[in-house]
Amino acid sequence: QVQLQESGPGLVKPSQTLSLTCTVSGGSISSGSYYWSWIRQPAGKGLEWIGRIYTSGSTNYNPSLKSRVTISVDTSKNQFSLKLSSVTAADTAVYYCARGGCGGDCPLDYWGQGTLVTVSS
Amino acid sequence: SYELTQPPSVSVSPGQTARITCSGDALPKQYAYWYQQKPGQAPVLVIYKDSERPSGIPERFSGSSSGTTVTLTISGVQAEDEADYYCQSADSSGTYEVFGGGTKLTVL
Repeated sequence: QVQLQESGPGLVKPSQTLSLTCTVSGGSISSGSYYWSWIRQPAGKGLEWIGRIYTSGSTNYNPSLKSRVTISVDTSKNQFSLKLSSVTAADTAVYYCARGGCGGDCPLDYWGQGTLVTVSS
Repeated sequence: SYELTQPPSVSVSPGQTARITCSGDALPKQYAYWYQQKPGQAPVLVIYKDSERPSGIPERFSGSSSGTTVTLTISGVQAEDEADYYCQSADSSGTYEVFGGGTKLTVL
């Protein structure tokens, strides 16, 4: 059974860079043809897809966030990571990592529990 | 940018049938997926590729597609089905994923 776990600072100052890591267990991140995604959800609001990475390192991002987002993968650690630069209060949200999101052909079938990131000085 | 449109809320009595719609221009070309989210929990996949049900999801959950609209149907709604439901798909080129705004299902 694949499991995902988000980790990283719960508080980030405005204008700084938010950094989160997702650790995958129960299987190798590089086995199979899987994409790995980040999704966020502000309190009381809906889900927003941030971006995805393939184990080859190929990425796609939400057009509305593309200029500020970088997703990377470390297959040796079975992890993938999110960096979101120049954050503001509007970036305060629960951030989820998930397996999937391959352009319409696969579901987001395994999710982490989510981690709350607050942007505040 | 591409959008998926869902009704904000749907209310049904226990035992009735709930139907939640999701509309988007690329849906004839792209599969849709449905997720159930209960308060304080991560979303759970309930329907994939328009109408397929993952193992462990009750048979009362079903999905269908017609043109630019996909529908999640919950037959014989139970109190435990009260949750937020999100559709998800991709833009026409498959470059990025999109979620609908979510529908709050209330079991009266």
